[in-house]
Amino acid sequence: QLQLQESGPGLAKPSETLSLTCTVSGGSISSLTYYWGWIRQPPGKGLEWIGDIFYSGTTYYNPSLKSRVTTSVDTSKNQFSLRLSSVTAADTAVYYCARRLQWELGGALDYWGQGILVTVSS
Amino acid sequence: DIQMTQSPSSLSASVGHRVIITCRASQSISSYLNWYQQKPGKAPKLLMYAASSLQSGVPSRFSGSGSGTDFTLTISSLQPEDFATYYCQQSYSSPWTFGQGTKVEIK
Repeated sequence: QLQLQESGPGLAKPSETLSLTCTVSGGSISSLTYYWGWIRQPPGKGLEWIGDIFYSGTTYYNPSLKSRVTTSVDTSKNQFSLRLSSVTAADTAVYYCARRLQWELGGALDYWGQGILVTVSS
Repeated sequence: DIQMTQSPSSLSASVGHRVIITCRASQSISSYLNWYQQKPGKAPKLLMYAASSLQSGVPSRFSGSGSGTDFTLTISSLQPEDFATYYCQQSYSSPWTFGQGTKVEIK
């Protein structure tokens, strides 16, 4: 059974960079079928897609965050990572990593991590 | 960006009743529409993909329909474990966007 697990600091200071890692187990991140993505959810609010990365390094980002987002993949560790720079209180959210099917297969997010709450506060 | 609008934002229903949630896209998304269920403190769970395909392991009381801009999620007989928030999501065009959610509560 595929599992995804987010890890990283639960607290970030304003203007600094938030860094999270997602570890994939039970399957290979080096698949032609899937992208690996990040989605966030501010407390009590809805879901916002941040970006996706393919095992080769190809990325898609939400234009609303693109200037501050960097994603990377480490196939040797079966992990992918998110960096969000210049954070403010508005970036406080539960951050989820997830697996996304290729567009040709419908593009759904079929496996999710449990989520990690990141609070931006001084 | 494609805007996704769900209705209603919340509803109260009794166990055993049928529930219908609608989702409208701001432009045609063909059948690139997915539905997720989220319970408090948990990650979203994929229920339906490609508008009408049931994800493996999801009970058959859930069904989806629609194409183009208008979609529905139907729960044929609401069960206690179905009380949750439901989100639609379009996977037609990046940025992938979600509806605002529909909270299903106990009546």
